Formats: sequence, structure tokens, C-alpha cells
Amino acid sequence: DTEVTQTPKHLVMGMTNKKSLKCEQHMGHRAMYWYKQKAKKPPELMFVYSYEKLSINESVPSRFSPECPNSSLLNLHLHALQPEDSALYLCASSPTTGTGTTNEKLFFGSGTQLSVL
Amino acid sequence: GQNIDQPTEMTATEGAIVQINCTYQTSGFNGLFWYQQHAGEAPTFLSYNVLDGLEEKGRFSSFLSRSKGYSYLLLKELQMKDSASYLCAVRDMIYNQGGKLIFGQGTELSVKP
Repeated sequence: DTEVTQTPKHLVMGMTNKKSLKCEQHMGHRAMYWYKQKAKKPPELMFVYSYEKLSINESVPSRFSPECPNSSLLNLHLHALQPEDSALYLCASSPTTGTGTTNEKLFFGSGTQLSVL
Repeated sequence: GQNIDQPTEMTATEGAIVQINCTYQTSGFNGLFWYQQHAGEAPTFLSYNVLDGLEEKGRFSSFLSRSKGYSYLLLKELQMKDSASYLCAVRDMIYNQGGKLIFGQGTELSVKP
């Protein structure tokens, strides 16, 4: 199994809603990532989890709350989002966070296309 | 600061060869990756360079010069399905936090018959 699975594929939510994005991998990877991608723009890193601990938070607003319940799962809890948060949210995993010279590549999920109304 | 530059768009003909350039200025360097991304889909890994030189993988090759902060992706025998966005990404090196992957803006390649 070399897949990163994200659910749901599409999500429409209002600014007062609370929703969660889910990500799962069974490759034994110990690093997991959330990226945000706007149309025709590159992915932007949001969070990195290393061995189930949050290691990088790229100054993401608190309306985005990540959670890593175990080494296979990564969630992104959403609350009180703004229309400008509409984007493709990509989850990725890698064996580790790549400390040292290594070709550890990121495996991406197919993303959740989020629309905030 | 962190800066990765790629051309925004390129057009090429089916069967031809195309070279997509990438220049970077990052505070640290721990490898350069090329990803392919079709519209609405996840990026998929193409190649990795950490030492200077050329890495070849079938129709795709990638080159790196660390002293010049420069890489290119070479696509040979272009096919229509190669129409996609090509993302150059540098792994930064942050002590005790592991490597961040920083993406360039992507190059939208259109392959025409």
C-alpha cells in the first residue's frame, strides 16, 4: 500500500461550521504534513508532524487545528473559516522528516477541495 | 529568505524535448525534488538531486548545480499526457525540526500535437 488517502474529496462549508479533514497512510511513515494549495499556486506548508508530535507550525491561524491521533492518521479540524481559506488541502507523508542527506520523498494524497461560503 | 524561481508557462510539441529550469536561494539545502501535478490531482514524485550532476530516469532527467543554485528537468519524447504543472521543490534544513519542502510556483507545460 503506497497510498495516502484523504477524505472527503470535496467539502463545502459555511463560516460558522465545524468540519474535519482526514488523512490516512499505512506505509509506516513517521512524518505527516498538511499543505494548502490555491489554484495555479504551489503547495504551501501548514503543519508537520514527526513521530506524532507537531514539529512545524507555519504560523497558521488558530481556526485550523491539526491532530495526529496515531502514526497512521492525521486530521485537520476547521472552525470559523473565511472564504479566502477556500483551497485544495493536501496531506502528505514521508518515512521521516528527512534529517540528514536523504532522498525521502513526500507521498501526497489527492487532496480535499474546500469551499467556504 | 527563501526564493525558488521557475518559468510560469511553457509550450512544446509532441515528440520533442523540453527543459524546465529552476533557480533557488534558500537558507539551507538538503536536496531538490521535481514533482508533476495534473490539474486537480496530487503532486507525484519525479526525481531527486542532492549532489551535482545528472540523474536519469527513463524519459525524465534532472540536473543540479549547487554552486549555481540551479536545476533543470529534461523531458524527452514528449507525450500529450505530459501536459501538467511541474514543481521544483527544495528541502530546507532546519535543525531539530527536520526538512521543510519549499515549492516553486510551478511551470505549466502544454504539449501540442
